[in-house]
Amino acid sequence: NAGVTQTPKFQVLKTGQSMTLQCAQDMNHNSMYWYRQDPGMGLRLIYYSASEGTTDKGEVPNGYNVSRLNKREFSLRLESAAPSQTSVYFCASSDVLNTEAFFGQGTRLTVV
Amino acid sequence: EDQVTQSPEALRLQEGESSSLNCSYTVSGLRGLFWYRQDPGKGPEFLFTLYSAGEEKEKERLKATLTKKESFLHITAPKPEDSATYLCAVRAYSGAGSYQLTFGKGTKLSVIP
Repeated sequence: NAGVTQTPKFQVLKTGQSMTLQCAQDMNHNSMYWYRQDPGMGLRLIYYSASEGTTDKGEVPNGYNVSRLNKREFSLRLESAAPSQTSVYFCASSDVLNTEAFFGQGTRLTVV
Repeated sequence: EDQVTQSPEALRLQEGESSSLNCSYTVSGLRGLFWYRQDPGKGPEFLFTLYSAGEEKEKERLKATLTKKESFLHITAPKPEDSATYLCAVRAYSGAGSYQLTFGKGTKLSVIP
């Protein structure tokens, strides 16, 4: 029972490069989320998908795009990475929007 | 603006020394308060959901309680394996049929053998 799986676990990018973070959940949850976690800032919501076919901006969406590929998968894309996007990224899912969520193990991204 | 404040930021306890972590919130229309545990290098792990003042939930050495303004996570006779960062999150009605979830910054608990 994998829960929420994120790939990759670690990534180093050069400024201006692009990449996609992948997330998949096997709990048949309707809602999925992308957060970033920075020291002293706590968890901040980047984008979320309340249900398959919908996506919405969270607190810090600038510089990111998302795709809800199907009910299981929710990807996060950085089109042109910036050092300010150095962070730990977490994908999460929940059955009902903004209720108890289950998180992946995180992706530690460094932009140099 | 909805706010969630956790205190203290960090707490060091001797093994067996009971204490409480606090999560205070200023939201209108609370629709759930959640506690999570986060180990270093891992994602948050869900612990409890509380919905109404007076509600309590227990799991092993942890007990979460809720009042109209704050929640406490009581840790009884902690062990070193309880060392982690504990996060709370508040779900509140934000209008137009929507609910917003706001996380606190967490309390880092260290339990010394």
